[in-house]
Amino acid sequence: AQRVTQPEKLLSVFKGAPVELKCNYSYSGSPELFWYVQYSRQRLQLLLRHISRESIKGFTADLNKGETSFHLKKPFAQEEDSAMYYCALSQGGSEKLVFGKGTKLTVNP
Amino acid sequence: DAGITQSPRHKVTETGTPVTLRCHQTENHRYMYWYRQDPGHGLRLIHYSYGVKDTDKGEVSDGYSVSRSKTEDFLLTLESATSSQTSVYFCAISRTGAYTYEQYFGPGTRLTVT
Repeated sequence: AQRVTQPEKLLSVFKGAPVELKCNYSYSGSPELFWYVQYSRQRLQLLLRHISRESIKGFTADLNKGETSFHLKKPFAQEEDSAMYYCALSQGGSEKLVFGKGTKLTVNP
Repeated sequence: DAGITQSPRHKVTETGTPVTLRCHQTENHRYMYWYRQDPGHGLRLIHYSYGVKDTDKGEVSDGYSVSRSKTEDFLLTLESATSSQTSVYFCAISRTGAYTYEQYFGPGTRLTVT
């Protein structure tokens, strides 16, 4: 069965520091991976999709099939990046997603 | 926001009472989903729908039922609410992106069962 693991429940960094939110997955097929962000008391928003290899709000994420990881990175964190981040996996074109438990990022001034 | 609204946005109810949450979308998407969000558990799929009157169970479907009589509306019913169903409930739709399905979420309903 597919599973998504976000090992850090909480992550705290200072403004301007690099940040990396970890995501590991287990799935034997060709996964499609996403990062979603949820700012305080708001709806979840799609941040990144691995397949388009884009950079959004300075964030990037690379799929590493050897390590089964899809870590989210930003070189210089900003206070407005403070939010809950969820990694999600879709099994090859499926309409269902499996979510990790989330990492709460706090960027301190 | 992909034209998704949820109602009510907040509700407090008593144990044992039935509760219905509504998700409404304006863009005619085929797939709709109900999730619950709880600290330490992330988002868990309750039920989903792949068309009018076509629904299926998710990971945590016990105690919940759904109905979809129109494309635009997906209803989640707690037949007899329990305190363990206190949660934030999110509806989502699935939109086909350039390469894959992408889910977009409603604003959420905060339900408290006392």
